[in-house]
Amino acid sequence: GENVEQHPSTLSVQEGDSAVIKCTYSDSASNYFPWYKQELGKRPQLIIDIRSNVGEKKDQRIAVTLNKTAKHFSLHITETQPEDSAVYFCAASSDSWGKLQFGAGTQVVVTP
Amino acid sequence: GAVVSQHPSRVICKSGTSVKIECRSLDFQATTMFWYRQFPKKSLMLMATSNEGSKATYEQGVEKDKFLINHASLTLSTLTVTSAHPEDSSFYICSATQGGSYNEQFFGPGTRLTVL
Repeated sequence: GENVEQHPSTLSVQEGDSAVIKCTYSDSASNYFPWYKQELGKRPQLIIDIRSNVGEKKDQRIAVTLNKTAKHFSLHITETQPEDSAVYFCAASSDSWGKLQFGAGTQVVVTP
Repeated sequence: GAVVSQHPSRVICKSGTSVKIECRSLDFQATTMFWYRQFPKKSLMLMATSNEGSKATYEQGVEKDKFLINHASLTLSTLTVTSAHPEDSSFYICSATQGGSYNEQFFGPGTRLTVL
């Protein structure tokens, strides 16, 4: 089955700096890669996703890149703000039902 | 956007009792619903995949007789934790997908289960 690894587990950045989180996956058939943001005690919220036929996608301060050959994808957050502090999860799906395999998560702390 | 509700949000029960958690898609028909378990400061662990009108598909290591899943309609799935024990205490989250070419999962707000 699919295995998703995520690094780093914690990331501290100064407000205004960029944050990068990296994930690798094992199943070459995976074709959908979402990123979720989860605040303490809350539901995961989709912040951006990318499909395997696209190499990069950007939405304001957030971007995701995908390297199918290397089987890794990354989340980039620019101009970080304190409200970006949360746990971020990457995930991958190769299942026709949309079953997701999640990475272990990255605790991002943005200090003013 | 698509909205998924979950009820109850928090439940405390005695050891040996059963607890039912409901997951509803409020404004769309969910062909598939998923049930996750999340321990503190840990990732989401998929427990089972539930398709309307079919038996749920459980992940390896998840006891199907312990965690009963019913997906009676395109808007409702239930998870029943039977004969709950303290080790079943956790945050349970459901998600739902509309199917088709987009696989985006919409998550419920989660249920905090505490078994005394």
